[in-house]
Amino acid sequence: DADVTQTPRNRITKTGKRIMLECSQTKGHDRMYWYRQDPGLGLRLIYYSFDVKDINKGEISDGYSVSRQAQAKFSLSLESAIPNQTALYFCATSDQNRNEQFFGPGTRLTVL
Amino acid sequence: AQKITQTQPGMFVQEKEAVTLDCTYDTSDPSYGLFWYKQPSSGEMIFLIYQGSYDQQNATEGRYSLNFQKARKSANLVISASQLGDSAMYFCAMREGGPNFNKFYFGSGTKLNVKP
Repeated sequence: DADVTQTPRNRITKTGKRIMLECSQTKGHDRMYWYRQDPGLGLRLIYYSFDVKDINKGEISDGYSVSRQAQAKFSLSLESAIPNQTALYFCATSDQNRNEQFFGPGTRLTVL
Repeated sequence: AQKITQTQPGMFVQEKEAVTLDCTYDTSDPSYGLFWYKQPSSGEMIFLIYQGSYDQQNATEGRYSLNFQKARKSANLVISASQLGDSAMYFCAMREGGPNFNKFYFGSGTKLNVKP
């Protein structure tokens, strides 16, 4: 079983709709992250959380919100989706004793 | 300013040859970490190698090595004996701060094509 899972894997939605992307992990890590990937721009950090009570904005948080429901769950919401939020979204985890981030498989979101 | 710069959008290498993927970084933090990830066409992000700013020796992991030149702020990935399965996007990333501040920055990536 995958250590970091994302649902859905693909989603097509319309402008103005509210969308939630979910991430779950079984690695027991404290830290969770949401990134988006656009062609030619690499990954950009949207939000990150170091524990359940800690939420921080990343580079590009406008238009997004997050919820850390439990240590293992971190959700990303688009309150009113717009076409330029079409991208590949990755969830990642890390703990304070390790150096690398572990990524989920990604969610491909298309906003029409 | 860009935290991570990868100046090679695409690279070609012949199978079995070595290839260097360039990465430069920008930070004023004395404590940082540098990473390389591989993203095959299937989309997943695969961790390859890590170099800490205080590490005295260049990191190596199998066929991957990191050419760390601190004064030049460069962290180039060297892949020896390229294989067809190495064809993928490669991302350089940096974590600033000490172990308690894991904010990551990624470069725009280099697409490597290994030719048979």
